[in-house]
Amino acid sequence: QVQLVESGGGVVQPGGSLRLSCAASGFTFNIYGMHWVRQAPGKGLEWVAAISYDGSNKYYADSVKGRFTISRDNSKNTNTLYLQMNSLRAEDTAVYYCAKGVRVVVTAYSAGDNFDYWGQGTLLTVSS
Amino acid sequence: DIQMTQSPSSLSASVGDRVTITCRASQIISSYLNWFQQKPGKAPNLLIYTASNLQSGVPSRFSGSGSGTDFTLTISSLQPEDFATYYCQQSYSPPLTFGGGTKVEIK
Repeated sequence: QVQLVESGGGVVQPGGSLRLSCAASGFTFNIYGMHWVRQAPGKGLEWVAAISYDGSNKYYADSVKGRFTISRDNSKNTNTLYLQMNSLRAEDTAVYYCAKGVRVVVTAYSAGDNFDYWGQGTLLTVSS
Repeated sequence: DIQMTQSPSSLSASVGDRVTITCRASQIISSYLNWFQQKPGKAPNLLIYTASNLQSGVPSRFSGSGSGTDFTLTISSLQPEDFATYYCQQSYSPPLTFGGGTKVEIK
């Protein structure tokens, strides 16, 4: 069955950096686009970033553009999605979820993608 | 960016009630609208995709409709396990924005 397991969350000072990971299994990782979505404590959902199946195209929310970088490792023994977060701010504090897209082998974003599987989330706290 | 506006932000209903939640996009998004359910401490769960398609495993009491800018999620007969927060999300173009959520509470 599809499994997405996030890791790497923790407490970071403002201005610091952290990398989140999402280990994927149970599906052919290297043909699907992937996403990061976050949720601040007590708040709604916010889409953060997306990456195409081959890593050639990446998309970001305005709130993280220039600070966060999404990437992926499609090697057989890795199948992992990453989110490198730099210049962290208090407002980045949130649970970060990775989510699987449904579009197959699509490089540029194709309308109608959605998030059919989600991980359990990992908590990032940005605080001094 | 496309803004998504949900209403109401919360509602109280009883088991067996018919519940309707609306979502409006700030521009035309065709039928590229998804609905998610989220329970406290859990990841969201996809209910409806592309406005009216029921995700596999989701009970048939959930339905979605709409196109263009106005969309609706309907729960035909509210069950105890349906008390949760519901979000709409546009999948027309990045950034892929969510509505603010509708919390469905027990009356």
